[in-house]
Amino acid sequence: GQNIDQPTEMTATEGAIVQINCTYQTSGFNGLFWYQQHAGEAPTFLSYNVLDGLEEKGRFSSFLSRSKGYSYLLLKELQMKDSASYLCGGVDSNYQLIWGAGTKLIIKP
Amino acid sequence: GAVVSQHPSWVICKSGTSVKIECRSLDFQATTMFWYRQFPKQSLMLMATSNEGSKATYEQGVEKDKFLINHASLTLSTLTVTSAHPEDSSFYICSANPGTDFVEQFFGPGTRLTVL
Repeated sequence: GQNIDQPTEMTATEGAIVQINCTYQTSGFNGLFWYQQHAGEAPTFLSYNVLDGLEEKGRFSSFLSRSKGYSYLLLKELQMKDSASYLCGGVDSNYQLIWGAGTKLIIKP
Repeated sequence: GAVVSQHPSWVICKSGTSVKIECRSLDFQATTMFWYRQFPKQSLMLMATSNEGSKATYEQGVEKDKFLINHASLTLSTLTVTSAHPEDSSFYICSANPGTDFVEQFFGPGTRLTVL
């Protein structure tokens, strides 16, 4: 079956760096998304990786290894507003998005 | 960027009534829209894929007669929760993609439904 695994919750300190891991098993692969979702709000797009490697976008970077079925989201210089859930989503061969359960990131001062 | 709106933002209704939620793509046309449901502290669960001019495709376990989807135009899809019950209380979110030049899904702000 298809599955996306990511940690349920993580805690980090303001100003620090945190890495949120995601492993995926999909029928075929057409890319991997990361979205940020604040409580009670809709998800907002962070990144999309379809090729191996690291893509950097400001304080956020996303990495993909297709051979390992693995991705991570790296957040640098953490700010309190980064407290949110981070959703990992894999795109299968039918271009259907398979979502992980989300990782709740708690930032402490 | 592409904008998706939803209406209403929140709704409270009595058990047994029907509730209609609208999803609109404001600055692009969407032949396909997606409807999700999200329970507290859980991830998004795809309910159905709404296709303009044709029947929606429902995910396994989602009752098509209870969750009626109509995609009558390229900018509007509606989800009607018929005979709503307290267990239908959830956060309903739609998303759409402007086309092949865009890889990301654009999400509406969501509709919080509370059934008393």
